[in-house]
Amino acid sequence: ELKVEQNPLFLSMQEGKNYTIYCNYSTTSDRLYWYRQDPGKSLESLFVLLSNGAVKQEGRLMASLDTKARLSTLHITAAVHDLSATYFCAVFMDSNYQLIWGAGTKLIIKP
Amino acid sequence: GAVVSQHPSWVICKSGTSVKIECRSLDFQATTMFWYRQFPKQSLMLMATSNEGSKATYEQGVEKDKFLINHASLTLSTLTVTSAHPEDSSFYICSAGRGDHYGYTFGSGTRLTVV
Repeated sequence: ELKVEQNPLFLSMQEGKNYTIYCNYSTTSDRLYWYRQDPGKSLESLFVLLSNGAVKQEGRLMASLDTKARLSTLHITAAVHDLSATYFCAVFMDSNYQLIWGAGTKLIIKP
Repeated sequence: GAVVSQHPSWVICKSGTSVKIECRSLDFQATTMFWYRQFPKQSLMLMATSNEGSKATYEQGVEKDKFLINHASLTLSTLTVTSAHPEDSSFYICSAGRGDHYGYTFGSGTRLTVV
């Protein structure tokens, strides 16, 4: 059974700082997604990582995937308040086309 | 880009009544639709997977007679919460898969409150 561990679950940080959210998963998969969720809202797709070594960047967010280590990271550079949200990683299961979700990281960025 | 329209955004209903939630893929054909439930401050819990024209596959612990899913066309899937009770109150989100690796577009979610 595929398990996805995301950490930290909660992160409070100051504007301007850098930090990384980690997403570990337990079995082989070569496709991983990162989503953002604002309070009371649905999910917004941030990144789709499709292969080992994939790196995607959008603004202050950068995501990477290491399929051999079964690890993805979401790195935040020089955080700003607008990035406050809950971030989820989700790993794709080839067997049934489902996504297995991490628990989410609630990120609070203080001015 | 791919858009999934989910309605209603929020609904309040009385115990014992039924509520239907619709998800429409507006600019693509959704070969697979996923229905999730999300409790406050928790991750998404997959309820069921439906493919157009076939019966939905429910996850363990999800009552298929209570949560009726219909995926009658490639652009429309519905979730009906039958005989709703307060414990069914939750945030329900649909997600449509296009069958390619970019695949998952989420609806805007439905906040259901049963009183």
